[in-house]
Amino acid sequence: GAVVSQHPSWVICKSGTSVKIECRSLDFQATTMFWYRQFPKQSLMLMATSNEGSKATYEQGVEKDKFLINHASLTLSTLTVTSAHPEDSSFYICSARGPGADTQYFGPGTRLTVL
Amino acid sequence: AQKITQTQPGMFVQEKEAVTLDCTYDTSDPSYGLFWYKQPSSGEMIFLIYQGSYDQQNATEGRYSLNFQKARKSANLVISASQLGDSAMYFCAMRESAGGYNKLIFGAGTRLAVHP
Repeated sequence: GAVVSQHPSWVICKSGTSVKIECRSLDFQATTMFWYRQFPKQSLMLMATSNEGSKATYEQGVEKDKFLINHASLTLSTLTVTSAHPEDSSFYICSARGPGADTQYFGPGTRLTVL
Repeated sequence: AQKITQTQPGMFVQEKEAVTLDCTYDTSDPSYGLFWYKQPSSGEMIFLIYQGSYDQQNATEGRYSLNFQKARKSANLVISASQLGDSAMYFCAMRESAGGYNKLIFGAGTRLAVHP
């Protein structure tokens, strides 16, 4: 099956710093990548959709300037949490979908803790 | 209004028994897709099964089958011969076309516990 990796798997940072999370599709070209956020014991909430080479489409209520998304190639998308605050602490998961495909394959997730 | 509803926050099943996890959906789009994902305690989302709205037959993947009842807008997941390793959160999701992008809307999830 399709493999998606995420790095780092967990990160702890100080309030006010920025954190970059990478999402890579390892064995297929991902024309579309998605970023989700999941709070403990809750479902996944879509933050944004990104297509390679174009600007990300953010969901309502998600701050574009706080959560910077770059989809520079068909195998890599990055999410940068800028000026992180404790309320940004969460589990961030990316997914990727190939051209014309229905199924999204998910990365293993990144647990962010902001102190 | 909720587009994906999973009414069972938690379910218990005896090992080797079958279990059905409920999912109902709401959409006016004639073309849609329904998915089930498993999320163990480690956090990764594992794709289990997919059903397209135009598929005539119910989807099956090994011990997983999807009971698709289009008129009732339900897409229940059936796990046969439960194993201890099936204990996890299970999410039902619907692919929705919005602005040219296909995105997934997730239900609240059902926590399944398999007892020996």
